[in-house]
Amino acid sequence: GNSVTQMEGPVTLSEEAFLTINCTYTATGYPSLFWYVQYPGEGLQLLLKATKADDKGSNKGFEATYRKETTSFHLEKGSVQVSDSAVYFCALSRPNAGKSTFGDGTTLTVKP
Amino acid sequence: NAGVTQTPKFQVLKTGQSMTLQCAQDMNHNSMYWYRQDPGMGLRLIYYSASEGTTDKGEVPNGYNVSRLNKREFSLRLESAAPSQTSVYFCASSDPGHSPLHFGNGTRLTVT
Repeated sequence: GNSVTQMEGPVTLSEEAFLTINCTYTATGYPSLFWYVQYPGEGLQLLLKATKADDKGSNKGFEATYRKETTSFHLEKGSVQVSDSAVYFCALSRPNAGKSTFGDGTTLTVKP
Repeated sequence: NAGVTQTPKFQVLKTGQSMTLQCAQDMNHNSMYWYRQDPGMGLRLIYYSASEGTTDKGEVPNGYNVSRLNKREFSLRLESAAPSQTSVYFCASSDPGHSPLHFGNGTRLTVT
C-alpha cells in the first residue's frame, strides 16, 4: 500500500536559519505529492505540490522537488521566520484513486 | 469565500451519547472526506465519498457512520460515543485528479 514517512520532530530553529524537513514515500504508479501546513487552531492548507517526477513546487519561499529515483519530496526554506512556526505534513495521492495518504507531521518552532 | 465549513467547533459528550458533525463545501467538489487527528498519529481517514451518492470506509471507520446528503454536505455520526473517539475531526473536499484537499477548521470533540 501507499505510505509517507516524515522526519521526526519537533524541529526548533532560530530565525533566518535554513530548514529541511525530509519526506519519503512508497506508492504504486505515479502519485502527486503535497506539503500541507497547519497553524494552531486551524485546518491544514496546501503549501505546495508537484505532480510528476522532477517537478519543483514552491510557495512563500518554501520549495520541494519530486525525486522519483529516491522516492523523496523534501521541504526546504532558505531563511525561516517566526511566522513559519506550524505543523507540516507531507502527503501523496494517486489521481482518481480518491484517497490521500499523510505523514505524521513535523512541528516546527522558529525562535526570534 | 467560505470553502469548507464545519460545525460545531467544540463539543463535549458523555460516553454513550450520540452526535452528528456537519460539513458543507461551496467549491462544487465531487469528493469529500472525514479525518481524525490525534497527537503523534497524523491524520487518519475515517470515511470518504468519491461522489454524490457513494461512501466508502477509510482506515478507521468503526464507531462512525456517514451520510452524503447532497453534493455540498457530508455528515459524520457517532452513534454511541466512546473516550477513544476524543479527537479533532476534519472534513475535507477535493476535485478528482491532481487536486489538493481543502480542509475545514476542525471540530474538537471530547468524550468523558
